[in-house]
Amino acid sequence: KAGVTQTPRYLIKTRGQQVTLSCSPISGHRSVSWYQQTPGQGLQFLFEYFSETQRNKGNFPGRFSGRQFSNSRSEMNVSTLELGDSALYLCASSLAASGTSNEQFFGPGTRLTVL
Amino acid sequence: GDSVTQMEGPVTLSEEAFLTINCTYTATGYPSLFWYVQYPGEGLQLLLKATKADDKGSNKGFEATYRKETTSFHLEKGSVQVSDSAVYFCALRQGNYQLIWGAGTKLIIKP
Repeated sequence: KAGVTQTPRYLIKTRGQQVTLSCSPISGHRSVSWYQQTPGQGLQFLFEYFSETQRNKGNFPGRFSGRQFSNSRSEMNVSTLELGDSALYLCASSLAASGTSNEQFFGPGTRLTVL
Repeated sequence: GDSVTQMEGPVTLSEEAFLTINCTYTATGYPSLFWYVQYPGEGLQLLLKATKADDKGSNKGFEATYRKETTSFHLEKGSVQVSDSAVYFCALRQGNYQLIWGAGTKLIIKP
């Protein structure tokens, strides 16, 4: 069974631009969560989608948004990029929504660099 | 609010040494506790977990015991290998909420 895939793996953008990252969960998984990982702040939860609905949202500005499609694939978008948005963005999928005993399986991440 | 504190890294050990990575938490109620591992260039993998006090999680020679009296979940391994070099994250989950993560501890094993 294929794991969680994220595209692209690496991305370089300049301040003010916007970016869209994609995540394909494990087949059959309906929940997708997004995390930002930086050396200074560690791992921070962005949001979670289950069956195309946002269930939980972390403490990030409105420039960060996401969506989930009917096939459970998810995208996250960051508008008006800032230097501080440079990070590894991780996607995780699970069978059901968070808070259950379902394990989250992580993708390799997308490394975003903002210049 | 809930939080997780891990020992700062990097932790550098020789092969076959004994490993302890400390993790303590602050939480109301009875959270579930987790250790994740991140190998270079990869995403996070669940290493082990414990869902109630005195539970011991174990996997790949690693162990951690949920100690409610000391609010700790220290990761241990009796004999580390070079292939164990990675970043280790302690995390907790309370009820229906998302995982709360520690800062991560980088482990370097020298041959």
